[in-house]
Amino acid sequence: EVQLVESGGGLVQPGGSLRLSCVASGFTFSSYAMHWVRQAPGKGLVWVSRIHKDGSSTTYADSVKGRFTTSRDNAKNMLYLQMSSLRADDTAVYYCAGDKDGLGDSWGQGTLVTVSS
Amino acid sequence: DVVMTQSPLSLPVTLGQPASISCRSSQSLVHSNGKTYLNWFQQRPGQSPRRLIYKVSNRDSGVPDRFSGSGSGTDFTLKISRVEAEDVGVYYCMQGTNWPPYTFGQGTKLEIK
Repeated sequence: EVQLVESGGGLVQPGGSLRLSCVASGFTFSSYAMHWVRQAPGKGLVWVSRIHKDGSSTTYADSVKGRFTTSRDNAKNMLYLQMSSLRADDTAVYYCAGDKDGLGDSWGQGTLVTVSS
Repeated sequence: DVVMTQSPLSLPVTLGQPASISCRSSQSLVHSNGKTYLNWFQQRPGQSPRRLIYKVSNRDSGVPDRFSGSGSGTDFTLKISRVEAEDVGVYYCMQGTNWPPYTFGQGTKLEIK
């Protein structure tokens, strides 16, 4: 069974940093690109970033470019999202998502990031 | 960026009746490889999204066959042949042809009348 489990969310002050993690199981993690998608409270889904299956390439939404960094450790089946210079509008549930036959074949349960003083 | 526009945004449906959601993109979603990367997601209340359909019309594993996707170019449709209580939630279309960024529609909230 494919499983994605995120962790690392919490309350952080504006300007602060946080690292999210996502552990994958049930599939060959190193064979697929991975994504981060976020959802602000009561709002829709917004794509954040994509990382190539071998980690050689990353792509970001303009809203997070230069502040967020996505990485992965295929030996540990782990996906990461390092977030810095956080702003109130980064407050959201962050999901990691797989990319088999396109974005979103699998999703984690999400981890809530709240940016507030 | 490709803008995805869904309609309606609210969809009250009687149990057992069909439902249809439209999704239009601001530019063609046909990739240079000939494939069309248009997906549909369901998000039940309090749950993570779940993909129902990929590449316009392919049902994901475990998705009931009452869900179907169709369309081409810039116009796409998700149909539910007979709505059941478990179908309540928000439905999103998403394009993965012209990225970055991947873009989602605003969401259509399906409720039971």
